[in-house]
Amino acid sequence: AQTVTQSQPEMSVQEAETVTLSCTYDTSESDYYLFWYKQPPSRQMILVIRQEAYKQQNATENRFSVNFQKAAKSFSLKISDSQLGDAAMYFCAYRVASNFGNEKLTFGTGTRLTIIP
Amino acid sequence: GAGVSQTPSNKVTEKGKYVELRCDPISGHTALYWYRQSLGQGPEFLIYFQGTGAADDSGLPNDRFFAVRPEGSVSTLKIQRTERGDSAVYLCASSAGWGTQYFGPGTRLLVL
Repeated sequence: AQTVTQSQPEMSVQEAETVTLSCTYDTSESDYYLFWYKQPPSRQMILVIRQEAYKQQNATENRFSVNFQKAAKSFSLKISDSQLGDAAMYFCAYRVASNFGNEKLTFGTGTRLTIIP
Repeated sequence: GAGVSQTPSNKVTEKGKYVELRCDPISGHTALYWYRQSLGQGPEFLIYFQGTGAADDSGLPNDRFFAVRPEGSVSTLKIQRTERGDSAVYLCASSAGWGTQYFGPGTRLLVL
């Protein structure tokens, strides 16, 4: 079974600084997707960034980038120039890519990010 | 366009009662998913529909939980004989086949 581990329950960062959230996962699959989702107090899960395992290049979306280390099964999220609106729970998630029907996401337990003004 | 919507936003019920939670996916999305998020945890998969059929219901915890999607659009999650342990946020997501899953705001269920 696939598992996703987020070892940092809480993180904080000064506004405008950079913070990195950690995620590791365990899988025997070779083809899969990894995601970071943001969940503000409104409860709605918002996709931050997505990485395909077959791509060596790390995904970036504006101030958000990932460090994907496939051999180490590590997938960290870097937030640059942190803003107050970035405060939320951040969840790392995994989905296998190869088989039709295995569409479910497996989530970690989340990291609560606080932005200090 | 409109995102995934879920009703009700909050539901309070008594132990032993029956509840229905509704999910209206993004128009045209063929895949629909239900997850349950307990306090302080990440979402856990319950069931996945591709069209009208349940492609994977391996996450349903027991036979008190059932979900339908009769016309391939709106889905209803049904919980019979609710228990206090069923209290959680129930999240629905939809996707266009293999694509990214887009989530609704969830229904917070409290069983007294």
